[in-house]
Amino acid sequence: AQKVTQAQTEISVVEKEDVTLDCVYETRDTTYYLFWYKQPPSGELVFLIRRNSFDEQNEISGRYSWNFQKSTSSFNFTITASQVVDSAVYFCALSEANWNSGGSNYKLTFGKGTLLTVNP
Amino acid sequence: ETGVTQTPRHLVMGMTNKKSLKCEQHLGHNAMYWYKQSAKKPLELMFVYNFKEQTENNSVPSRFSPECPNSSHLFLHLHTLQPEDSALYLCASSQVPSPNPYEQYFGPGTRLTVT
Repeated sequence: AQKVTQAQTEISVVEKEDVTLDCVYETRDTTYYLFWYKQPPSGELVFLIRRNSFDEQNEISGRYSWNFQKSTSSFNFTITASQVVDSAVYFCALSEANWNSGGSNYKLTFGKGTLLTVNP
Repeated sequence: ETGVTQTPRHLVMGMTNKKSLKCEQHLGHNAMYWYKQSAKKPLELMFVYNFKEQTENNSVPSRFSPECPNSSHLFLHLHTLQPEDSALYLCASSQVPSPNPYEQYFGPGTRLTVT
């Protein structure tokens, strides 16, 4: 069974601090995808990044960076120089591919999320 | 309208009521999903529809009844709910197959309170 663990329930930082959100996953699949989503107070989940299991290169997008380590089954997310607008719940998710006769569907297994509060 | 929209945004209903949640996607996708988000629990996948056909029912109680009349619209019909069904219900859509597989786009959710 697939599982995603986000051990940090809540994190509070002061603006301009760097913060890392941890994500550890379990899967028996050799091909899988990992995601991070942001859920601001408005409720809508916003897609941030997708990585496949064959690409362990770290990625940087502005103040966001992601560290994928297959050896430790981790996909951590770092925000550099945090801002108040970064305050949200962040979810890590893992995909599984499920092929059915009607086509394919893709299931996402989510972690419980980490509530990040950035204080001014 | 763009993206994925959901109505209503908030709903309060009694245990004997019947109500429906509506989701509409304007992205040209062919797969739609219902998720339940309860406090302090991971998002739980409830139903998946591909090309209007239900391909996944994740052991959801029969008091939740989904309907997908076309690839742009998804409904969740509710009847005789329990207080523990109070949650945020999120709709999502995606394109399958896709050069960007597994990427789902979410609506803002309906906050449901069962009294």
